[in-house]
Amino acid sequence: QSVLTQPPSVSGAPGQRVTISCTGSSSNIGAGYDVHWYQQLPGTAPKLLIYGNSNRPSGVPDRFSGSKSDTSGSLAITGLQAEDEADYYCQSYDSSLSGYVFGTGTKVTVL
Amino acid sequence: EVQLVESGGGLVQPGGSLRLSCAASGFTVSSHYMSWVRQAPGKGLEWVSVIYSGGSTYYADSVKGRFTISRDNSKNTLYLQMNSLRAEDTAVYYCARDGGAIGDSSGWLFDYWGQGTLVTVSS
Repeated sequence: QSVLTQPPSVSGAPGQRVTISCTGSSSNIGAGYDVHWYQQLPGTAPKLLIYGNSNRPSGVPDRFSGSKSDTSGSLAITGLQAEDEADYYCQSYDSSLSGYVFGTGTKVTVL
Repeated sequence: EVQLVESGGGLVQPGGSLRLSCAASGFTVSSHYMSWVRQAPGKGLEWVSVIYSGGSTYYADSVKGRFTISRDNSKNTLYLQMNSLRAEDTAVYYCARDGGAIGDSSGWLFDYWGQGTLVTVSS
């Protein structure tokens, strides 16, 4: 029942670049609400990775970058490292639901 | 330092009730939008409920009428009262703080999360 759609999995070799898409609609991302991204390592709570479409909280490596266009957002990881292997979720706000919405989640595998 | 510590999870039979708590430190709960987010085993994140700083509350359709979010300002603690529990409510429940408008972001983001508490609904 997730409102935002992400690919189930992406993979890449160390050092490569991978991207994760997040597709929403006119009541969330398309309505102007920001896209935020979270990283969830196995057995831990999600951690804010990108906020406001493209901003990194203090301590997040600049290998992580985000963007937004129309009804979609995107997360890019450049210079992929073994420690980046995790689940990634996009998130926004939906005005028709009057609530927060998450993406379906993407598992990143480092080959 | 901002910290969120959940408690109250456990095993409950279908139809039963449970109250989760989230003790906050390092900030004032009543000054922020506070949410509960859950994650069923092996599944994705699902937003459950929010209480605004002004006291308004909102719920996901999946829990509306069964769950109630509240806070105790004197204890700086967030709660989730869960009634008429179903097997599909089995999940790790996280409390999370909305960081509000940061920089050029309009907000509606979770900047701090608790460690989570597991709720299992089973007979």
